[in-house]
Parts: sequence; C-alpha cells; structure tokens
Amino acid sequence: AQSVTQLDSHVSVSEGTPVLLRCNYSSSYSPSLFWYVQHPNKGLQLLLKYTSAATLVKGINGFEAEFKKSETSFHLTKPSAHMSDAAEYFCVVSELNSGTYKYIFGTGTRLKVLA
Amino acid sequence: ETGVTQTPRHLVMGMTNKKSLKCEQHLGHNAMYWYKQSAKKPLELMFVYSLEERVENNSVPSRFSPECPNSSHLFLHLHTLQPEDSALYLCASSQDAPPGGPNYGYTFGSGTRLTVV
Repeated sequence: AQSVTQLDSHVSVSEGTPVLLRCNYSSSYSPSLFWYVQHPNKGLQLLLKYTSAATLVKGINGFEAEFKKSETSFHLTKPSAHMSDAAEYFCVVSELNSGTYKYIFGTGTRLKVLA
Repeated sequence: ETGVTQTPRHLVMGMTNKKSLKCEQHLGHNAMYWYKQSAKKPLELMFVYSLEERVENNSVPSRFSPECPNSSHLFLHLHTLQPEDSALYLCASSQDAPPGGPNYGYTFGSGTRLTVV
C-alpha cells in the first residue's frame, strides 16, 4: 500500500535562507510524486511533479525537488526563502492500483518565513 | 483564478438546512473531484467523477450527495449535516483517463468554507 509521510508539521526559516521540506513515500510500484502549495484561504496549487523522467525536478517560484528511489524520498528545496513562500505544502504520491490511479496526500508542512 | 471556480466561498448552515456547493471548470478536463479538508487531518477524497460518471465514493455519509450534470460542473448537495462536517470543501479537476494519472496534476478551486451550527 502506498503512503506519504511529511516529516515536519511546521518549519520556520529566516528570509533569504534555504528551505527544506521533507517527504518520504512508500509505494509498491513506480510512483508519480507531486508537491502542492496552499496559501491561506486558497485552494492547492501544483508546484512541481516527478513522473519518471529526470530525478531533479524544477517547479514554479524557484522550488525544486529530487526523487531518490534508494531513500524513498522526494524532498522540496529552495535556495532562498521569500516572505511570500509562507504557506502549507503537501506532498502527494500517485500510483496505479487496480486499474485506477490513487492520489494520497501527506498531512502537510506549514512553512513560516521570518523577516 | 486557477480555472476552477467554487461558490459560495463561505457558507454557514444549520443542521436542518439543505444547501448546495457548486464547482465549475472550463479547462476541458474530464475528471472532477470533491475533497474535504479538516484541521490537522489529511485531505480526504470524497467523490470522483470521470466523464460525468461517478467512479469513486469513499464511504461518504449519505447526507452528502454529489451531482455532475456535465463535464464542466460538479455539485455537492448537503442536508442534515453535523457540526463535525464543518471544513473546507475543495473541488479539483484533471485531464486524466482513468481518473488520476502519472503525467497530470490536479487544478484546485479555492474551496468553500462550510460551518455547520
């Protein structure tokens, strides 16, 4: 069975410092992986996705994530945090199971950016 | 705007009321979804529609009734709700066949914040 674990429920960084949001997954097959961002009172927006092509994936707003099969991880990074990055981030795994794709969402990581 | 529009943005209803949530997309997507987002809980998939047919119902109580009259519109009809149903209800769409797919993400609406009193 597939699952997603976001290791930190809250992360605080200072503006201009690197961001690391951690995600581990378990999957029986070759998964597709996504990161979504949710700003307050908004829906979820797709940041980036891994679909078995390049293992280093670049997304919007300077974010990127690296798929590491040996570590079953898909951590989200950004070199320099901006105040506007404060939001909740969700890691998602998609897997083909019994003829349909299932999307499993992590519990989210709330990112706080300090001035 | 993301291309998926949800109305109303906020809704307060009593436990004996009947109301409906509306979702509309003009992205040409063929699958639509209802999710429930409660505080401190993972997103819960409620219903999936593919090509206007319901393909998934994740053990959702019958007080929630979805309707998909065409590929662009999705409704969630609510009646005799409970206070624990208070949550953010998110609609999403995707271009997938079958619902879900490795190369596509979802486009989400901004949600309806529902409060049951």
